[in-house]
Order: sequence, then C-alpha cells, then structure tokens
Amino acid sequence: NAGVMQNPRHLVRRRGQEARLRCSPMKGHSHVYWYRQLPEEGLKFMVYLQKENIIDESGMPKERFSAEFPKEGPSILRIQQVVRGDSAAYFCASSPRGPEAFFGQGTRLTVV
Amino acid sequence: AQKITQTQPGMFVQEKEAVTLDCTYDTSDQSYGLFWYKQPSSGEMIFLIYQGSYDEQNATEGRYSLNFQKARKSANLVISASQLGDSAMYFCAIWTTGGSGYSTLTFGKGTMLLVSP
Repeated sequence: NAGVMQNPRHLVRRRGQEARLRCSPMKGHSHVYWYRQLPEEGLKFMVYLQKENIIDESGMPKERFSAEFPKEGPSILRIQQVVRGDSAAYFCASSPRGPEAFFGQGTRLTVV
Repeated sequence: AQKITQTQPGMFVQEKEAVTLDCTYDTSDQSYGLFWYKQPSSGEMIFLIYQGSYDEQNATEGRYSLNFQKARKSANLVISASQLGDSAMYFCAIWTTGGSGYSTLTFGKGTMLLVSP
C-alpha cells in the first residue's frame, strides 16, 4: 500500500506560467487536504476535498488558485500566472476520515 | 479559530540527553487531536505521535512521549535519549472541526532541534 504520492517533487516555473501539482492519496482514502509551507513557516491549510467535491477552500487565495479531486485520477492543485510569492512547498495529505492525516513528500515550487 | 503556539524557535541538546519541545494550543472544541510531526532537511513531514483530547493516558511512541496537560492546554513533546538523526524541524498541530463539521490541521511555526555529539 503506497503512501501519499506527490509529483513532481520539484517544479520550476517562470513568472506568468502555470503550475500543476498532483497528489494521489493512499488507497482507500477519499479525503484530500492541500497545505502550503512558506520558507521558515509552518504548514497552512489551503483546501479540503472529497471525491468530486470541494468541502472547504477558505485557505486558498481566491485568484489564480484552484483545486480538484476528480472521480478518477489524482487531486490537482493548479496555480495560474505564478508569481515569485507562490514559491513554497506544497503538501498534500490524505485521510480515510479524521483524525489520521498522512502526508506526501511535498512539491517544491520555485518561481523564477 | 484554532491556534498552536511553539515558543522555542530553536533548541540545542547533546546526544543521549532528553529534550522537551513546547506546544500550547487554543480551541473552543471539546473534541480534538494533537499531533507532532518531524521535518528533516529533506523536507518530508513524518508523523511522530498523536494524542486525542479524551485520552486519559499520555501518548508514547518509542522514544517520543507527549506530555498532555489539558487544563493548561499544553502538549509538549519529550524526546528521550536524543540521537544525531533527531536534528530536524518539529511541528505541533491540532486537528479540530472549529465548528465547521469537518476537521483540518492547524500547525505551529515549528521548533528547530539540533543534536550535537
């Protein structure tokens, strides 16, 4: 039973490009959470999804950011028109239901 | 809103000694969970230990124990017999609904632990 898989591990984008971050939850987990970690900070909640539904996106910026968790396939966090301030580590966690939360290894996004 | 406070930005300890990393929390929920995660320089988040708010015994996992003092709203992590490989960033987090009906994790800013030979 593989853990939470995130890819890519590292992503470099130029300002104005789009970034797509993927997260495959653990088998049998239908809850996915995305967190962002800015340099030298703790993780901050962005969005909580269940299959085909966004449950809470209160931590996600209203502009340029979107997330989905389709019926088939991984969850995707999409950042359009990236800016330097988007540079961070983005972590995905999955859960069958609370309180367990298993984290992926993160995607480190660098915007140049 | 939920809040986690880790007042120690950094801690130093010698190998084989015990160290306590502080964590206080704030929540109005009656039911919640407290987590500690380790983040080494490679960046992944490694689950260490969990304490439920209704658990009467302090959680232990090998060399890790959680000193849970509910009245004081503290959940300190104790690492016994430190090893060089324990050098990492440590995050305390609370799992709670906050009245929303579903739970998410709120993290503290972390404590950097350095273990010296």
